[in-house]
Amino acid sequence: EPEVTQTPSHQVTQMGQEVILRCVPISNHLYFYWYRQILGQKVEFLVSFYNNEISEKSEIFDDQFSVERPDGSNFTLKIRSTKLEDSAMYFCASREWTSGRDNEQFFGPGTRLTVL
Amino acid sequence: GDSVTQMEGPVTLSEEAFLTINCTYTATGYPSLFWYVQYPGEGLQLLLKATKADDKGSNKGFEATYRKETTSFHLEKGSVQVSDSAVYFCALSDKNTNAGKSTFGDGTTLTVKP
Repeated sequence: EPEVTQTPSHQVTQMGQEVILRCVPISNHLYFYWYRQILGQKVEFLVSFYNNEISEKSEIFDDQFSVERPDGSNFTLKIRSTKLEDSAMYFCASREWTSGRDNEQFFGPGTRLTVL
Repeated sequence: GDSVTQMEGPVTLSEEAFLTINCTYTATGYPSLFWYVQYPGEGLQLLLKATKADDKGSNKGFEATYRKETTSFHLEKGSVQVSDSAVYFCALSDKNTNAGKSTFGDGTTLTVKP
């Protein structure tokens, strides 16, 4: 069964460093998402991406964040200058294009980012 | 905006007890509803879903019915097992927006004791 994959599974970085989190969505999916979950808290939407552009972003997704689909398979989240409060689990998700049908998103296993 | 409210946890039950985790939602559109489960140290797994009013989602003995009149999607299981111990998240996704992002509840931690 196709699945969303994410690398690395765990990333440790120093405050102020740039990190890139990578995701490979399911191959025929057209919508891509990043979510974050601070330890013990709810899952929060960061950004959605369709047709090579951001379709929606949350207040959390400020200028320090960017997303890119550099080729036909990868979808990346870059944090330019990490802060301690960026420590969280980051989930990538993807879904097919639908027309009024259910919007099931398929989630990856997550990347745990630890900022020291 | 959209929101999901789950019953506060944590919930502790004995094995074979009946489980209910309440979930209500607010949405401007006509959402699809989901329950996800997260085992310790792992990612999100879709447990069940419902896409329209009166639909019942079911999986692994868990059930939830999409109640539009009460804007609810309560999760139930007739007899829980120790292996059901996890965090359960209720979520919605609005079909009427192209972005189709998911909005999650706070999560409910379930512990099942033998």
